[in-house]
Amino acid sequence: DSGVTQTPKHLITATGQRVTLRCSPRSGDLSVYWYQQSLDQGLQFLIHYYNGEERAKGNILERFSAQQFPDLHSELNLSSLELGDSALYFCASSPERVGGELFFGEGSRLTVL
Amino acid sequence: AQTVTQSQPEMSVQEAETVTLSCTYDTSESDYYLFWYKQPPSRQMILVIRQEAYKQQNATENRFSVNFQKAAKSFSLKISDSQLGDAAMYFCACAMLGTSGTYKYIFGTGTRLKVLA
Repeated sequence: DSGVTQTPKHLITATGQRVTLRCSPRSGDLSVYWYQQSLDQGLQFLIHYYNGEERAKGNILERFSAQQFPDLHSELNLSSLELGDSALYFCASSPERVGGELFFGEGSRLTVL
Repeated sequence: AQTVTQSQPEMSVQEAETVTLSCTYDTSESDYYLFWYKQPPSRQMILVIRQEAYKQQNATENRFSVNFQKAAKSFSLKISDSQLGDAAMYFCACAMLGTSGTYKYIFGTGTRLKVLA
């Protein structure tokens, strides 16, 4: 158990819909990273938040947005969903100590029909 | 550009044998950290081993060890006495301090390891 909690674990929805994925980082970790992993692909970095502030953006579509709340949990909002958005979405947290690794949640499996 | 390259999409190893997964990276930073993550069929990302770039000694964790060649920017993972449970996708990653003052993590595309009984 990494200590990072993601909900929901599985989500099935239709094209054009909007969903929200939630992530609770490990206790004390200020950083939250979001990654997208399509079937049998690598990890695509989406966005990074540190203590409520956006710190870096990767290949995140304009239809996607995220935020980190004062209690440090984060939400990734995906709107106007397309079939190609079907993927495993990972959240990872980090203590941001020197050389610290990322601790990953179990991921949220999104299926768009 | 900062990149991490895994040139072997798929590897196979016989149970109890040794296999080496390759990884090269490119960064202009002098301070960075390297990781190998394992993703079994459950899809959970699990840290296998980490290496500080400033340390010359290669990291070792039980049957897993790395061959870190800083000048060549190479960071390979050796798995000894391979077990069926080692079958997974393995990702190489590099963490470096970004301009935002927090770490930037770059992942390779992964190597799928099959272990043959």
